[in-house]
Amino acid sequence: EAGVAQSPRYKIIEKRQSVAFWCNPISGHATLYWYQQILGQGPKLLIQFQNNGVVDDSQLPKDRFSAERLKGVDSTLKIQPAKLEDSAVYLCASSLLRGFTDTQYFGPGTRLTVL
Amino acid sequence: ILNVEQSPQSLHVQEGDSTNFTCSFPSSNFYALHWYRWETAKSPEALFVMTLNGDEKKKGRISATLNTKEGYSYLYIKGSQPEDSATYLCAPYNQGGKLIFGQGTELSVKP
Repeated sequence: EAGVAQSPRYKIIEKRQSVAFWCNPISGHATLYWYQQILGQGPKLLIQFQNNGVVDDSQLPKDRFSAERLKGVDSTLKIQPAKLEDSAVYLCASSLLRGFTDTQYFGPGTRLTVL
Repeated sequence: ILNVEQSPQSLHVQEGDSTNFTCSFPSSNFYALHWYRWETAKSPEALFVMTLNGDEKKKGRISATLNTKEGYSYLYIKGSQPEDSATYLCAPYNQGGKLIFGQGTELSVKP
């Protein structure tokens, strides 16, 4: 089966610019996650969708970050305006369900550099 | 918020060496522990999902054990190969319904 797709793989922008990332999860997976992984740290959950509804966005900096999941399939994560501290790898993952044993399948990530 | 610690932060071994590293997490309200392997420029790959105290899982040369009472898990790699070079991440599943990742152990295996 096809894995989780993400684009772009790399992005370099100036601070205060906007950027958007796209994710296509595994077909049939109801749950979609966006993580931020800053160098030297583990991935941190930004937002979790169940179908097209938000389950958890408690760690999403809502003043500059937004995310949507249209029709319960693809998702986009946007940063506007970007700050230097947003430099990180942004990972998208999906799982069939939301249970504690459900494996999350990750995409290759987008490496964002903010100058 | 869960405090998940992995040690060591990095490890350099020779091909053929066996190695192990640790994931520590709060033992209260335990649901499950996930292990992932993340090779550079690739997607993180699921290794194990562990739920029961004393659980032991194995996948090829990699195995893991779980102690939920004291809050730790060990990951072992027998006879390390260069292709095992990666960052190994552990993530307990918390009450809030999400995985909390440790900072990872970066393993480098030299031929």
